[in-house]
Amino acid sequence: SQQGEEDPQALSIQEGENATMNCSYKTSINNLQWYRQNSGRGLVHLILIRSNEREKHSGRLRVTLDTSKKSSSLLITASRAADTASYFCATDEASGSARQLTFGSGTQLTVLP
Amino acid sequence: DGGITQSPKYLFRKEGQNVTLSCEQNLNHDAMYWYRQDPGQGLRLIYYSQIVNDFQKGDIAEGYSVSREKKESFPLTVTSAQKNPTAFYLCASSILHPTSGSSGSYEQYFGPGTRLTVT
Repeated sequence: SQQGEEDPQALSIQEGENATMNCSYKTSINNLQWYRQNSGRGLVHLILIRSNEREKHSGRLRVTLDTSKKSSSLLITASRAADTASYFCATDEASGSARQLTFGSGTQLTVLP
Repeated sequence: DGGITQSPKYLFRKEGQNVTLSCEQNLNHDAMYWYRQDPGQGLRLIYYSQIVNDFQKGDIAEGYSVSREKKESFPLTVTSAQKNPTAFYLCASSILHPTSGSSGSYEQYFGPGTRLTVT
């Protein structure tokens, strides 16, 4: 079963604009991770936020986590054409195997030059 | 040059044939994973292994088999019993033992994937 679900499924913006993607999940988690996938390639880890954290930054990325709403958001500021990719959230259930991640179906981001 | 490799990048097979996908890592990671990705979908866990000679079924293990004879290698066999084998297959690895004060899962490092087409 899908633990995380991203919203929107697809997002198209102009270069320089900010992009926001959301992830909702169902059960209590240890942490939540965001990954990026360029078309036809493997996934690349972007950021990990633990259940006791509310916000985390990494370069142009800002991730928030609201455990009361079981949701997270990924904000990419000042987007570039090279940010065009699919973005996935992944969670591990607090009661399950800490080694397994459950991925959402992703948000396809297109940044137009 | 550390990393995780998968071969081949593209694989074509006839229906009814078993096929083995290779996954090798030189990151000294204990844990390795196999995922399946269908078009427009997220990743689904097939099998994972936390230690040599041990592995666990994921959400969609039916029709697949794995082995973990070496820490560096985690090959996946797609058997003829898998009803819809055409997909993009991704291998990943991660550390297993937590650093002090941390809990839960860890960053996974992914290979470039193998696209399997069965006709």
